[in-house]
Amino acid sequence: AQKITQTQPGMFVQEKEAVTLDCTYDTSDQSYGLFWYKQPSSGEMIFLIYQGSYDEQNATEGRYSLNFQKARKSANLVISASQLGDSAMYFCAMREGTGNQFYFGTGTSLTVIP
Amino acid sequence: GAVVSQHPSWVICKSGTSVKIECRSLDFQATTMFWYRQFPKQSLMLMATSNEGSKATYEQGVEKDKFLINHASLTLSTLTVTSAHPEDSSFYICSAGRNSGNTIYFGEGSWLTVV
Repeated sequence: AQKITQTQPGMFVQEKEAVTLDCTYDTSDQSYGLFWYKQPSSGEMIFLIYQGSYDEQNATEGRYSLNFQKARKSANLVISASQLGDSAMYFCAMREGTGNQFYFGTGTSLTVIP
Repeated sequence: GAVVSQHPSWVICKSGTSVKIECRSLDFQATTMFWYRQFPKQSLMLMATSNEGSKATYEQGVEKDKFLINHASLTLSTLTVTSAHPEDSSFYICSAGRNSGNTIYFGEGSWLTVV
């Protein structure tokens, strides 16, 4: 089974609108971390936000927030007030336990429309 | 600023030659680094785990004799693509995490083109 599933290959959003990128995960570990990364066309992976499995509050970082629903094993990324510079690939990733190995989803390509 | 640096960002090499890509952790020691390969419009595929002072652990299907990994110090891991062929052309990216903290940092990535 896939560890991380991103079901939206591509998404479009109007500038200044909010958008939700879906991510579901599969693990039997009690301790894990969920991450979102942004990858622009240049290729670099930019860390956006982190959610720990024991964190009770949803993580927020500026315009990014993570809608963490543990029972559903989902960790959706919400981007508020979209900007043209938000157009990029977005990857959801999971780390199990305290290791450094990541499992990546297949990514969602986000295009922000002026 | 960047905490993991990769070099070179772009490299073009002739078929049959070898090319080395470096991954450095700039302000922390990384006993473990990871090497990924990414094809266009696809996700990152873990190639191997680089362990300081010991042999790398390769994922299934990755040729260890072709993709040589050396983690000679706590801040440097290198990936050498030996006898490169056009099908090795890809985007290679490394990552490392601090021993404390929750974030994994990625290098800028290296675009390899074999002609």
